[in-house]
Amino acid sequence: GAGVSQSPSNKVTEKGKDVELRCDPISGHTALYWYRQSLGQGLEFLIYFQGNSAPDKSGLPSDRFSAERTGGSVSTLTIQRTQQEDSAVYLCASSSRKGTGPNEQFFGPGTRLTVL
Amino acid sequence: QKEVEQNSGPLSVPEGAIASLNCTYSDRGSQSFFWYRQYSGKSPELIMFIYSNGDKEDGRFTAQLNKASQYVSLLIRDSQPSDSATYLCAVRDSGTYKYIFGTGTRLKVLA
Repeated sequence: GAGVSQSPSNKVTEKGKDVELRCDPISGHTALYWYRQSLGQGLEFLIYFQGNSAPDKSGLPSDRFSAERTGGSVSTLTIQRTQQEDSAVYLCASSSRKGTGPNEQFFGPGTRLTVL
Repeated sequence: QKEVEQNSGPLSVPEGAIASLNCTYSDRGSQSFFWYRQYSGKSPELIMFIYSNGDKEDGRFTAQLNKASQYVSLLIRDSQPSDSATYLCAVRDSGTYKYIFGTGTRLKVLA
């Protein structure tokens, strides 16, 4: 079946502009995660959605970052007034979250954001 | 602040040798542990997960978990040049479905 998809694959923007990044999770997966990975670094947790529950936004680095998930499926991460330090690969992952299972995450290909 | 620590490497091993990758974590209540492989420019892919103390084997890969010492390791037997990648350790935060990732260990398998 189809995996996690993300768009665009690359985004170049000017400092101060707003950007929207999109994630389509695996069909039926109720959990969706956004991460940020800067060059040579590990994954930095940003936000987590689970079904209709309130999202865990504890990883969002500033109020310029926001995300929503419509209909429990597609998610959009929005960065307002982008700064150069926002340049990174933004990864989306989804998980089925089945009871006591390991609930492993499946990652999308990422969106490489470059802020000039 | 819950943390997952990994040596950044690079860890260089000759082809055919055993590569040993280690990870320590701070949350004593964590129950689920994951190893991901990430090739340069690609997204992480799951290799193994473990949540019981001891060893778990899958082909050339063995995950080892010691909850008392709060470490988890990954052994790769008969290492191949195609195993050269960054290996990320991830721990699921106790009581939530949030995952905490280490910064990864870069492995180089020399032909």
